[in-house]
Amino acid sequence: EADIYQTPRYLVIGTGKKITLECSQTMGHDKMYWYQQDPGMELHLIHYSYGVNSTEKGDLSSESTVSRIRTEHFPLTLESARPSHTSQYLCASSEGTVYEQYFGPGTRLTVT
Amino acid sequence: GENVEQHPSTLSVQEGDSAVIKCTYSDSASNYFPWYKQELGKRPQLIIDIRSNVGEKKDQRIAVTLNKTAKHFSLHITETQPEDSAVYFCAGAGFQKLVFGTGTRLLVSP
Repeated sequence: EADIYQTPRYLVIGTGKKITLECSQTMGHDKMYWYQQDPGMELHLIHYSYGVNSTEKGDLSSESTVSRIRTEHFPLTLESARPSHTSQYLCASSEGTVYEQYFGPGTRLTVT
Repeated sequence: GENVEQHPSTLSVQEGDSAVIKCTYSDSASNYFPWYKQELGKRPQLIIDIRSNVGEKKDQRIAVTLNKTAKHFSLHITETQPEDSAVYFCAGAGFQKLVFGTGTRLLVSP
């Protein structure tokens, strides 16, 4: 089934650890996005990509990095997790336009 | 860059009443204005959108209006039902990305 997948769904880690949040979509979309969202609150754009080998920083200052080596895969890496990174991370994708985005189920990250 | 403001932050209505959520945007270059609905514990989903050259669009119980001159747009939900309870986000879309409003938590009481 064409969808967008995120793993892990929940993650609890200690301060200073390096983590990678995975996002994959099987819809063949060219554009992908990462958002940070505290539950039910505002969506903050962290990174986005127009296609393979294209990445851009969003509006939220973040100590994270992304890569886009394959169309379907857009992982987010935190080099050194901090308690301030505790939040939900949503991945999304879109085809052609930017206004019709499909979201993944999210990864809820807790940094202790 | 684009800035989207959304009001109110919370809205409580009785089942059957109408609900209106309002947004303003700053960037004249924005040309699409989508609305997303996020139910508790679920992912945001696009429910309706409007282009900058259209003044109003309807889809069953929901409608969106756009005043391009005043740079504001609104979501109207008629005959609200408990399943309409969710957080609603407006957004402005230019060429590169979406800028979301801060969200409105709608609670529909039976």
